[in-house]
Amino acid sequence: NAGVMQNPRHLVRRRGQEARLRCSPMKGHSHVYWYRQLPEEGLKFMVYLQKENIIDESGMPKERFSAEFPKEGPSILRIQQVVRGDSAAYFCASSPPLYRASDYGYTFGSGTRLTVV
Amino acid sequence: GEDVEQSLFLSVREGDSSVINCTYTDSSSTYLYWYKQEPGAGLQLLTYIFSNMDMKQDQRLTVLLNKKDKHLSLRIADTQTGDSAIYFCAAAGSARQLTFGSGTQLTVLP
Repeated sequence: NAGVMQNPRHLVRRRGQEARLRCSPMKGHSHVYWYRQLPEEGLKFMVYLQKENIIDESGMPKERFSAEFPKEGPSILRIQQVVRGDSAAYFCASSPPLYRASDYGYTFGSGTRLTVV
Repeated sequence: GEDVEQSLFLSVREGDSSVINCTYTDSSSTYLYWYKQEPGAGLQLLTYIFSNMDMKQDQRLTVLLNKKDKHLSLRIADTQTGDSAIYFCAAAGSARQLTFGSGTQLTVLP
């Protein structure tokens, strides 16, 4: 049973380009969480999705960032017109429908490290 | 909102005990976690404690919780070089979000 899979592991984009980060949840999991880790900082919550629905996007920047989790396929975090400040590690976690962080913590993927040059 | 703070660096000698400290602000945070992150890797859940507990021990790991002071600590006994990593404290209330501290870089010296 594979864990949470993220790809690519490393992504380099020039300023102004688009970045697409993918997250495949664990088998049987229908909920996905995205977190961002800026250099030398802890992880910050961005968005929580279930299939075809955004549940909580309170941590998402208002512009240029969007997330989706379609009925089929991985969850996608999309960053349009990237800027240097978007350089960070982006982590994904997944859970079954009734699971909460207050249960036993989440399992995270290995992350995508985005570098904007 | 919740704020979680940790000291940034800790160095210990191999074989000694390490104690990593964390404070949080939201008294309604009822679930607290410790994660380990090795270079270039994701986060590994090490252990967790619920707010109705004062202490939890799991092999070399001991978690102490002082609810009154909103202080959490992680003690690693007999610290090994493989324990060198960044350790994150995280808090969760009833919501599905985790609030993380900035991490403590643990360096184990031979």
